[in-house]
Amino acid sequence: QSALTQPPSASGSPGQSVTISCTGISSDVGGHNYVSWYQQNPGKAPKLLIYEATKRPSGVPDRFSASKSGNTASLTVSGLQPEDEADYYCSSNADTNNLGVFGGGTKLTVL
Amino acid sequence: EVQLVQSGAEVKKPGESLKISCKASGYNFPNYWIGWVRQMPGKGLEWLGIIYPGDSDPKYGPAFEGQVTISADKSITTAYLQWRWLKPSDTAIYYCARPFMGGGSVVRIDYWGQGTLVTVSS
Repeated sequence: QSALTQPPSASGSPGQSVTISCTGISSDVGGHNYVSWYQQNPGKAPKLLIYEATKRPSGVPDRFSASKSGNTASLTVSGLQPEDEADYYCSSNADTNNLGVFGGGTKLTVL
Repeated sequence: EVQLVQSGAEVKKPGESLKISCKASGYNFPNYWIGWVRQMPGKGLEWLGIIYPGDSDPKYGPAFEGQVTISADKSITTAYLQWRWLKPSDTAIYYCARPFMGGGSVVRIDYWGQGTLVTVSS
């Protein structure tokens, strides 16, 4: 069982927006702004999408945005495109583990 | 350009030993932590551990202390993940990863290797 809770699946039609949640506790998501999100395409390594809860690395489209409130972080993909179909993982610093913790992942399907 | 290039897929029997590698390039290897992330079939991501090649000081995830050994050879800018005694439950893809650290903790993972599939089966 993963330390952070994500819905196993999410879906949306092209052009729509979808939001994926990531729920932790006060000693990880709630207590830190070092939440990151990763996109993993089938058969590929994960790729950093969001860091420090809301920041995008250069090269990541602004269709990807994120926020955090209390113990829950959220990733929003706007203007869904077929290539957004992938697995998405959240991660956070944690007081109990200086390597950090991951969510179980969410499979995003573009209908 | 930072690159992490991992060794190829392995098929092993239970009880055998194994050492996989991650060749780093494009940055000053001794000065950055590097580590290993596991992805079991159809499952999520887990940190096994990280090491600082400058002084070879490893830190292990809670479930992996004593189960694996992480090492680094700064003379050839290569990190390693080693098992003395493989189990079928070690079957997974193992990613080499370079984290960005803050205050002694992993903040994010900036760079990933391509992954090494390890299959343990009799």
